[in-house]
Amino acid sequence: EPEVTQTPSHQVTQMGQEVILRCVPISNHLYFYWYRQILGQKVEFLVSFYNNEISEKSEIFDDQFSVERPDGSNFTLKIRSTKLEDSAMYFCASSLRDRGGYEQYFGPGTRLTVT
Amino acid sequence: TQLLEQSPQFLSIQEGENLTVYCNSSSVFSSLQWYRQEPGEGPVLLVTVVTGGEVKKLKRLTFQFGDARKDSSLHITAAQPGDTGLYLCAYSGNTPLVFGKGTRLSVIA
Repeated sequence: EPEVTQTPSHQVTQMGQEVILRCVPISNHLYFYWYRQILGQKVEFLVSFYNNEISEKSEIFDDQFSVERPDGSNFTLKIRSTKLEDSAMYFCASSLRDRGGYEQYFGPGTRLTVT
Repeated sequence: TQLLEQSPQFLSIQEGENLTVYCNSSSVFSSLQWYRQEPGEGPVLLVTVVTGGEVKKLKRLTFQFGDARKDSSLHITAAQPGDTGLYLCAYSGNTPLVFGKGTRLSVIA
């Protein structure tokens, strides 16, 4: 069964460093997403991406964040200058359609620890 | 943004018992999804309900969407330790997917 994959599974970085989290969405999906889950809290939407551009983003997704689909398979989230509060699980998801009862499939997540 | 209230927040039961968890909102959902999340992993989609009054079954799990599409329930029959996890409901109307806080279920053998 097709699945979303993410690398690395765990990333430790120092405050102020740049990190890139990688995702390979399901191959025939068209919509891609990043979510964040701080320990013990809700899963929160960060950004959605379609047709090589951001279609929607939340307040969390400020200028420190960027997303890219550098080739036909990878989808990346970059945090330019990490802060302690960026420590969280980051989940990538993909879907065939957007809205209207669509189904999103999530990857296993990358645990980001900022020290 | 609609708020999703899930109850109970925590539930600990013995293997073989039945249980029901709830997801409620004051507003109408166009559709609702249930996910299960295990520690250190991503949410795994269980079901999507779209039509008011709809009932969907997935083995021992029964999902119901309220007639008014404001609430949903998940009933598990004869719970097993493998059912342990965080059960999340989520909706997407004209907004990106919004999750509730979840019900953390622990099934004790």
